[in-house]
Amino acid sequence: LAKTTQPISMDSYEGQEVNITCSHNNIATNDYITWYQQFPSQGPRFIIQGYKTKVTNEVASLFIPADRKSSTLSLPRVSLSDTAVYYCLVGATTSGTYKYIFGTGTRLKVLA
Amino acid sequence: DTAVSQTPKYLVTQMGNDKSIKCEQNLGHDTMYWYKQDSKKFLKIMFSYNNKELIINETVPNRFSPKSPDKAHLNLHINSLELGDSAVYFCASSQVGGGTDTQYFGPGTRLTVL
Repeated sequence: LAKTTQPISMDSYEGQEVNITCSHNNIATNDYITWYQQFPSQGPRFIIQGYKTKVTNEVASLFIPADRKSSTLSLPRVSLSDTAVYYCLVGATTSGTYKYIFGTGTRLKVLA
Repeated sequence: DTAVSQTPKYLVTQMGNDKSIKCEQNLGHDTMYWYKQDSKKFLKIMFSYNNKELIINETVPNRFSPKSPDKAHLNLHINSLELGDSAVYFCASSQVGGGTDTQYFGPGTRLTVL
């Protein structure tokens, strides 16, 4: 069974860098890894996407090792408004069937 | 202007009833999705349509029936509602579908079955 796992929760202080890792052992060969942010009572919102090595945009960086079985979302200098749940999303192939699989979600709490 | 909209936002109903949730996207996307988010915040895909054609149908009870009248709409009809159907249901859309596509999510519909 394809599983995509993340730490349940993390706490951080304002101004610190936060790294959230997702484990995705069954990622499909050609699939990208996408990270989403979700605030309470809202739908998930796209943060960043990558296939391998490192990707950086204006809000985050994404690190993907060569085997692509995991990925790490890096949020530089978090603020209180970054308090949210973060999900990775991958396409995975299990028993020949392709599936979209969201990670279990990481609840990030940023403290003042 | 809302990109992906869902109605209703809240839905409270009795066991055994039949209900529908509507979803519309104005992004011109070809692919639409339904997800279920349970009380533990796990997100699980239920269905995906590409240009009105069903392309992903996860193992969900056949009480759940998606309908896509056109590529901008994907509605979810649920028959004989059960307590376990209580969850937040999210609609999403993406350009063409597939692992490289960014999905845009609606605000969710919180379904409570009593």
